[in-house]
Amino acid sequence: VQLVESGGGLVQPGKSLKLSCSASGFTFSSYGMHWIRQAPGKGLDWVAYISSSSGTVYADAVKGRFTISRDNAKNTLYLQLNSLKSEDTAIYYCARTITTGYFDYWGQGVMVTVSS
Amino acid sequence: DIMLTQSPATLSVTPGESISLSCRASQSISTNLHWYQQKPNESPRVLIKYASQTISGIPSRFSGSGSGTDFTLNINRVEPEDFSVYYCQQSNSWPLTFGSGTKLEIK
Repeated sequence: VQLVESGGGLVQPGKSLKLSCSASGFTFSSYGMHWIRQAPGKGLDWVAYISSSSGTVYADAVKGRFTISRDNAKNTLYLQLNSLKSEDTAIYYCARTITTGYFDYWGQGVMVTVSS
Repeated sequence: DIMLTQSPATLSVTPGESISLSCRASQSISTNLHWYQQKPNESPRVLIKYASQTISGIPSRFSGSGSGTDFTLNINRVEPEDFSVYYCQQSNSWPLTFGSGTKLEIK
């Protein structure tokens, strides 16, 4: 199992960014996936979930601004980040889940910095 | 939202000691509680699922217990590679939440 995030970088407040998570080594379409973030020097913060059938759940802090999606043909998970705020600055991890319960595999993370 | 309170925030121990880390939930979560280890500059990895179930590949010195609101991660005879941060996470209800972590450091 391998999860590789990409798409991070420095972005101004109010702007947008799209993160990708490329999955390999398992049947991607059969698993739910999450995005989890970690602000510099802080703890873990769950962001969003998408089921194998593309049902979605979001944390209140990102609801209406972030969109999680998946392309099973490309084995890729996405996170569209809009209306970014400084408090969105974090390492963003994608993670696999067997149920909605726990995260059994994590990517290496991608840094998003929101600053003018 | 379910709040998870981990204690202590920092624990200083000598290699070879056996320790217990606590995670307390703000309401009952049955056994829907999972433990992770995060080493500096690495991604977290799961150690224990559903309060006490083992994970393939995780050393047997790690064990978990508890149900309802009180949970414990035990490390039997801490090894040098165990010094890191430990997080608990609940999956009983949305939003999924994490505790603030316990840092295990060398005394």
